[in-house]
Amino acid sequence: AQTVTQSQPEMSVQEAETVTLSCTYDTSENNYYLFWYKQPPSRQMILVIRQEAYKQQNATENRFSVNFQKAAKSFSLKISDSQLGDTAMYFCAFTLSGYALNFGKGTSLLVTP
Amino acid sequence: EAGVAQSPRYKIIEKRQSVAFWCNPISGHATLYWYQQILGQGPKLLIQFQNNGVVDDSQLPKDRFSAERLKGVDSTLKIQPAKLEDSAVYLCASSSGQFYGYTFGSGTRLTVV
Repeated sequence: AQTVTQSQPEMSVQEAETVTLSCTYDTSENNYYLFWYKQPPSRQMILVIRQEAYKQQNATENRFSVNFQKAAKSFSLKISDSQLGDTAMYFCAFTLSGYALNFGKGTSLLVTP
Repeated sequence: EAGVAQSPRYKIIEKRQSVAFWCNPISGHATLYWYQQILGQGPKLLIQFQNNGVVDDSQLPKDRFSAERLKGVDSTLKIQPAKLEDSAVYLCASSSGQFYGYTFGSGTRLTVV
């Protein structure tokens, strides 16, 4: 079974600063996909960024980037220039092709003025 | 494109009552998922449909939960009878089958009293 671990239950960052959220996973497969989702109080899961395991280049989406370390099974999310609207729960998720997403327990991020 | 529609948004019932949730996925998405998200945890897969067939229901408590996806489009998740521990947000998601195609609805918050 694939497991996803987020070791930081809560984090706080000041506006305009940079914060990194950690995620590790466990799998014996070689081809898989990793995601970071944001869940604001509205409850809707919003895709932040995704990474295919066979791609060595780290994914980036505007202020969001990942540090994907396949050998270490690590997939951290870096948020640059944090904004108040980034306050939310962040979930790391893993999937194999054709299967459902397997989520971590989440990290609650608070961006303060 | 229209998103994943879910209803109702909120539901409060007494234990031992029954409840049903409805999901309308994105048009053309063959795969539909139901997740249960207990407060403070990540979403947990209950059931995955491919068209109108079940792919994975290994974590569905079949003594009280049931789900169907008639004609491979809309889906209904039912709980009968409800228990206090069923209080959670129930999320529906759909996918085109490709790794970037997971889209979530806004969920139904169920409170069992």
